[in-house]
Amino acid sequence: DTGVSQNPRHKITKRGQNVTFRCDPISEHNRLYWYRQTLGQGPEFLTYFQNEAQLEKSRLLSDRFSAERPKGSFSTLEIQRTEQGDSAMYLCASSLGTVGEKLFFGSGTQLSVL
Amino acid sequence: GESVGLHLPTLSVQEGDNSIINCAYSNSASDYFIWYKQESGKGPQFIIDIRSNMDKRQGQRVTVLLNKTVKHLSLQIAATQPGDSAVYFCAENGGFQKLVFGTGTRLLVSP
Repeated sequence: DTGVSQNPRHKITKRGQNVTFRCDPISEHNRLYWYRQTLGQGPEFLTYFQNEAQLEKSRLLSDRFSAERPKGSFSTLEIQRTEQGDSAMYLCASSLGTVGEKLFFGSGTQLSVL
Repeated sequence: GESVGLHLPTLSVQEGDNSIINCAYSNSASDYFIWYKQESGKGPQFIIDIRSNMDKRQGQRVTVLLNKTVKHLSLQIAATQPGDSAVYFCAENGGFQKLVFGTGTRLLVSP
């Protein structure tokens, strides 16, 4: 499978715990994006990387959220001290970075905070 | 500000009919638009895109129309099939492919 891969698919955690998600983009893609999607809504932009550099962060990304892409390949998204409002689908996408190039999305990680 | 919205939350059609899903956008400076299909439990899947210098673009069974005068985008699906049942999102490029998505329209195809 050469698509965008996300792990885990599902994560259930208790409020206050830390969680980490992983995204493996399509190998030749240099841009990687994180989006969040709640039930019945469209995905909302969180942050994106050009290779290993994090170039933009949404105001939705509070101080409890941190994303890394250390070698310009896979990326991790960590949420510290989770809150019930963090429950959502976290989607990763990648692209070649060419203007107008479409984003390819993974299947997401569904987070439930109890 | 940037916002993308959809007129109808749910569209029900019969198999074989043509489907039209509409979308309004507010940022007149947007230069790129894209339609995604999302099935339950899956990530959005690319359908078709269009740049602002075009009015129409066709794919396999799908056509996207862009009316910049009224800031309106539509997705037409020909001969709709049960496998087309999903939620459809339009999105506009908010810069550096930071896509701004609408709420989505659920398409239900009955046999």
